[in-house]
Amino acid sequence: DGGITQSPKYLFRKEGQNVTLSCEQNLNHDAMYWYRQDPGQGLRLIYYSQIVNDFQKGDIAEGYSVSREKKESFPLTVTSAQKNPTAFYLCATWDRGRQPQHFGDGTRLSIL
Amino acid sequence: KNEVEQSPQNLTAQEGEFITINCSYSVGISALHWLQQHPGGGIVSLFMLSSGKKKHGRLIATINIQEKHSSLHITASHPRDSAVYICAVSYMEYGNKLVFGAGTILRVKS
Repeated sequence: DGGITQSPKYLFRKEGQNVTLSCEQNLNHDAMYWYRQDPGQGLRLIYYSQIVNDFQKGDIAEGYSVSREKKESFPLTVTSAQKNPTAFYLCATWDRGRQPQHFGDGTRLSIL
Repeated sequence: KNEVEQSPQNLTAQEGEFITINCSYSVGISALHWLQQHPGGGIVSLFMLSSGKKKHGRLIATINIQEKHSSLHITASHPRDSAVYICAVSYMEYGNKLVFGAGTILRVKS
């Protein structure tokens, strides 16, 4: 079955440490996205990539970094510069047609 | 910047009731999306529409482009419909980025 795999589901890190969230897809979709969700707020776009080796900042990119070395993978690194990293992170993909984005099951990050 | 407003924020219904969730946005869009998020956090796309009306089972979504307004209706609601329903708009010219409403928390009681 094709889909999006986000791992791990729950992640705990100490303050000041960088942490990388994984997003892998076997849908063969060109575009991939990272969104952040905070309680009571809508999801917000962190970064997106429309093609391998290219990515653009979203609305809240500060304190985050990404890479897109392979079509299947779009990892998100939450750096120590992100002031409030505790949140739910969702990865999504899109195949450029008139179809909606597909979402992963998310990773809940907690900073201790 | 487009604002996406949803109402109500919270909704409790009795099983069998007809439910309506509303969404309004402020500028032109490529498409409007209705999404469903269950307690585990995963999100499923219910509808993507740019005009008119779509129906899938007990769910109906409508959009009025002139009024920049969309509604999601659930007929004969059931406890399994309990979830967060999210309205989002997309812009093809910006890599199909989505801008989301805050969501409507729906609880259907039996």
